Amino acid sequence: TQLLEQSPQFLSIQEGENLTVYCNSSSVFSSLQWYRQEPGEGPVLLVTVVTGGEVKKLKRLTFQFGDARKDSSLHITAAQPGDTGLYLCAGANAGGTSYGKLTFGQGTILTVHP
Amino acid sequence: DTAVSQTPKYLVTQMGNDKSIKCEQNLGHDTMYWYKQDSKKFLKIMFSYNNKELIINETVPNRFSPKSPDKAHLNLHINSLELGDSAVYFCASSHHGNQPQHFGDGTRLSIL
Repeated sequence: TQLLEQSPQFLSIQEGENLTVYCNSSSVFSSLQWYRQEPGEGPVLLVTVVTGGEVKKLKRLTFQFGDARKDSSLHITAAQPGDTGLYLCAGANAGGTSYGKLTFGQGTILTVHP
Repeated sequence: DTAVSQTPKYLVTQMGNDKSIKCEQNLGHDTMYWYKQDSKKFLKIMFSYNNKELIINETVPNRFSPKSPDKAHLNLHINSLELGDSAVYFCASSHHGNQPQHFGDGTRLSIL
């Protein structure tokens, strides 16, 4: 069974601070997806990283995929109250019986105070 | 023009009842999924279908039965509901199995 350990589970910070969320696994994934979920809604994809060592930026958000494709991080610079939400990492597998299966981390509930 | 829509949004019912949740996607995707999100926000896959064919069937009680009449629809029927079934159920779809997934807004199921 593949597991994705996501940390921290809760993060409460002031506006303007930086933060990093981590996803770690002992398993290799073909890609790693990051989602953000707001209350009463479904998760929305932020980014997909595919290549080991890949770094992607989305405005103030920086996503990194580990060289061995077992871990990933999300770094937010100068957090704003609008960044508040549940952040989920999800590892995807290449195929076979795991075709399409996403293994989700436990999620990080981020609260940014004005 | 909602991409993935599921109904109902809320479902409150008694233990022992049978209920269904419907899901439709208008994205032309081949693959659809059902997920369960528990009270700790952990999201776990239950089923996936590719072009109406069952692909993934995680360890889910056989009281849960998915049905895909066509590739744009994936419904979930639950028999003999139990207290532990209380959760938010999400439908999702993707072009193919390893593409990013688009989620519906969830159905909050509460068992009394």
